[in-house]
Formats: sequence, structure tokens, C-alpha cells
Amino acid sequence: GENVEQHPSTLSVQEGDSAVIKCTYSDSASNYFPWYKQELGKRPQLIIDIRSNVGEKKDQRIAVTLNKTAKHFSLHITETQPEDSAVYFCAASFASPNSGYALNFGKGTSLLVTP
Amino acid sequence: GAVVSQHPSRVICKSGTSVKIECRSLDFQATTMFWYRQFPKKSLMLMATSNEGSKATYEQGVEKDKFLINHASLTLSTLTVTSAHPEDSSFYICSAKPLGGLSDGYTFGSGTRLTVV
Repeated sequence: GENVEQHPSTLSVQEGDSAVIKCTYSDSASNYFPWYKQELGKRPQLIIDIRSNVGEKKDQRIAVTLNKTAKHFSLHITETQPEDSAVYFCAASFASPNSGYALNFGKGTSLLVTP
Repeated sequence: GAVVSQHPSRVICKSGTSVKIECRSLDFQATTMFWYRQFPKKSLMLMATSNEGSKATYEQGVEKDKFLINHASLTLSTLTVTSAHPEDSSFYICSAKPLGGLSDGYTFGSGTRLTVV
């Protein structure tokens, strides 16, 4: 699959501040961009996703923006809380041979929210 | 929502033995399941795509004879790590996509922590 770059690798914010994680992708055919939250030793959980026909999507304190022209998308968490601390992965769909679409993941961002 | 069950959650085996990991979609049918490997503090790396009723598709660099995948039904895919070695120790996690396309969801199993001693 094509590459997905994610930045920063670590992010530390104070409770109540906002956190922004950015990803870029290279496959122009990608049309689905989910974000996952993974707590230590647990499975990744989908927190929000966006499709290529939409530029922005919001769900309470979480929002995702997509710029298809520039091939980048971002996760925005507002009013952060200590329980937001986890590793966040972005992903972009790609056409896997013989099997339809799969996901390529970014390397993850370790977010720490300090009280 | 869609639930994917993965077993075992943790396994320790001796070098040279084989280990089978199961991935089940509990409340939906999945023609396609994906197997990922995750090293500590690293991202998820796609190993292979499991297709019901046909051969799996392996990503570049993944040995198909080492990691045997069987997708015998619309709700079950298995990954067998054959002749395991310590370097195979990792977190293996499956994911399933309900019929209808990627936009319908992409749910992960709980993962399997494999330790080869």
C-alpha cells in the first residue's frame, strides 16, 4: 500500500487545551480516512472517520478535516481530558490486490494530557 | 455495532512450534478479514488480506508459508504462525469489514500477544 505519514509522534498538552494530529497520504485513490485510538494493550477503537466527499466532520470534542488536493487530513481534539491520553492512528484506504480496500496506517501519535 | 472476537489473547510457545490465532465476526458476515502485526510502540503493519473461499493475499515481505491464513467461512479467519521463532513475538491483530464495503465499518479484534521462547 501507499505511505501514510503522521505527525507528531508524541504530543503533550495540558488538560483543557486542544490537540492536533496531522497526516498525509500519497495514494490519490484513497477515499476513506478513519482515526483510531489505542490504549495500552487494547485494540484500536474507531473514534471518527471521514470520506473524500466531505471536508470536515465533527463529533462533540473531536473533529477531522480533509484536504484532498493537498492529500492531508487532521484530527482535532478540543478541551482535552486525561482520559484522552492514548496512541492515535490515522489511516487511509487503498486498493489491496484481489480483495478490495484495506487500510494503511500512520505510525501513531502518543498523546499525553496532563492534569 | 459490529463485534470481532479474537483468540487467544495471549500465548507463549516454544521455538519450533506452531500457533493458531482465530478471528471471528460475531454479528456480521465478513468476506474479507485483515491481519496486522504490531511491534511495541509501533504502528499496525498489514500482513495479509484473508478472503473467504479463496487464497489470502500477502503483503510484500510477509512469508505465506510462515503465516498460514485460512478463511473457511464468512465469520472465521485463522492465522497460523508455523515453526515460530523468537523474532515472531509480536502483537497480532485482525480486523473485519462487513459486507457492503469499507465505508460500512472496519472493526478490530482484541489482539493476540504472542511470545516465543
